[in-house]
Amino acid sequence: QVQLQESGPGLVKPSQTLSLTCTVSGGSISSGGYYWSWIRQHPGKGLEWIGYIYYSGSTYYNPSLKSRVTISVDTSKNQFSLKLSSVTAADTAVYYCARDHAVPSLGEFYFDYWGQGTLVTVSS
Amino acid sequence: SYELTQPPSVSVSPGQTARITCSGDALPKKYAYWYQQKSGQAPVLVIYEDSKRPSGIPERFSGSSSGTMATLTISGAQVEDEADYYCYSTDSSGRRVFGTGTKVTVL
Repeated sequence: QVQLQESGPGLVKPSQTLSLTCTVSGGSISSGGYYWSWIRQHPGKGLEWIGYIYYSGSTYYNPSLKSRVTISVDTSKNQFSLKLSSVTAADTAVYYCARDHAVPSLGEFYFDYWGQGTLVTVSS
Repeated sequence: SYELTQPPSVSVSPGQTARITCSGDALPKKYAYWYQQKSGQAPVLVIYEDSKRPSGIPERFSGSSSGTMATLTISGAQVEDEADYYCYSTDSSGRRVFGTGTKVTVL
């Protein structure tokens, strides 16, 4: 059973960089067919996809956040990470990491395993 | 940008049928997926590829799609089905897109 766990500071000051790590267990991040995504949810609001990384290091970011987002992978630790720069109060949200299941024959992707989520508050 | 539109809320009495719609221009070419999110929990996949049910999801959950609209149906809704439901798809560039979300109340 694949499990994902987010970790990182729960409080970040405005203008600083938010940094989170997702640790994957029960499966290798290097196995093909899966991408690894970050998703966030503002308090009381809907889900927003932030971006994904493949084990090779290739990434794709939501255009709305692209200028501030960096996602990286450490296959030796079976982890991937999110950095979001120049944060403001509008970045306060629950951040989820998720396994992004690819269906190559269809060109489709969906999230089949999620972490429990971690609340990050941006405040001075 | 690609959008998936859902009604904000749906109410249903226990044992009755709830239908949640999801409208999107790319749905004729892309599959719809549905996630259930209970309060304080991570989302759970309940329907994939328009109408398939993952292992462990009750049979009362079903999905369909026609043209630009996908529908999640909960037949014989239970109190434990009260949650937020999100449709999901990908656009032509590979961007992952969630619907606006629907709060289902069972009372």
